[in-house]
Amino acid sequence: ETGVTQSPTHLIKTRGQQVTLRCSSQSGHNTVSWYQQALGQGPQFIFQYYREEENGRGNFPPRFSGLQFPNYSSELNVNALELDDSALYLCASSSTGRRSTGELFFGEGSRLTVL
Amino acid sequence: QKEVEQNSGPLSVPEGAIASLNCTYSDRGSQSFFWYRQYSGKSPELIMFIYSNGDKEDGRFTAQLNKASQYVSLLIRDSQPSDSATYLCASGDTGGFKTIFGAGTRLFVKA
Repeated sequence: ETGVTQSPTHLIKTRGQQVTLRCSSQSGHNTVSWYQQALGQGPQFIFQYYREEENGRGNFPPRFSGLQFPNYSSELNVNALELDDSALYLCASSSTGRRSTGELFFGEGSRLTVL
Repeated sequence: QKEVEQNSGPLSVPEGAIASLNCTYSDRGSQSFFWYRQYSGKSPELIMFIYSNGDKEDGRFTAQLNKASQYVSLLIRDSQPSDSATYLCASGDTGGFKTIFGAGTRLFVKA
C-alpha cells in the first residue's frame, strides 16, 4: 500500500510569486485535505476535496486554490505569495463511507519559505 | 468559525506518571473527535478516535468525550520518554470530514 506523497519537499519563493504543491493520496482514499502549519502551531484547515469537488474551506483567502484529479491526487496553488505564507503545507488523505473512521493519513509535507 | 482549543503547555511529567491532556471544541455539530501525535519534524499520526460520550481505552491511552461540555481529553498511563511529542486534538463532521485541529499541547516525559 502506497502512502501519501508530497512534492516538492522544500522550496523557496519570493513575495508575489505563485506556487503549486502536489499530493498523491493513499491507495483507496477518495478525499484529500490540505493544511497549513506554521512553526509551533497546529495544522490550519485550508480546504478539502471529495470526488474532485471542494467539500469545505477554512478561513483562507481565494488566492489559495486547489484541484483534485480523477485519480484522487491533488494540487494546492497559492498566488501572490506573502511572507506569512511561509509554513509547512500538509496533505492528508482519507476514505469515506460507513466503515470509515475519519482518520487522516498525512504526507511528510512541503516546506515553503517566502522571502 | 469552528475552533478547537488546547493548552499549549508544555506539560512535563516524570516517567511512569499519568499525563492528562485536554481540549474543548466550539461546534456542537461535531461528530468525530481525534487525538494525533506529532513528533518534532514529523507529520501527525493518529493515536485514537472517539465518537460517543464516555471513555475509550487502547493500551496505555484513554480518550474521554463529554459532548454536553464540549470537552475531550486524553490520558496517557505509564508515560515513557518516547511519548514526548506534541499532541493535537481535532474534531470533524461525520466520517471525519472537515477535520479541525487545535494548536497542540507539548508533552515532555522526564526519565
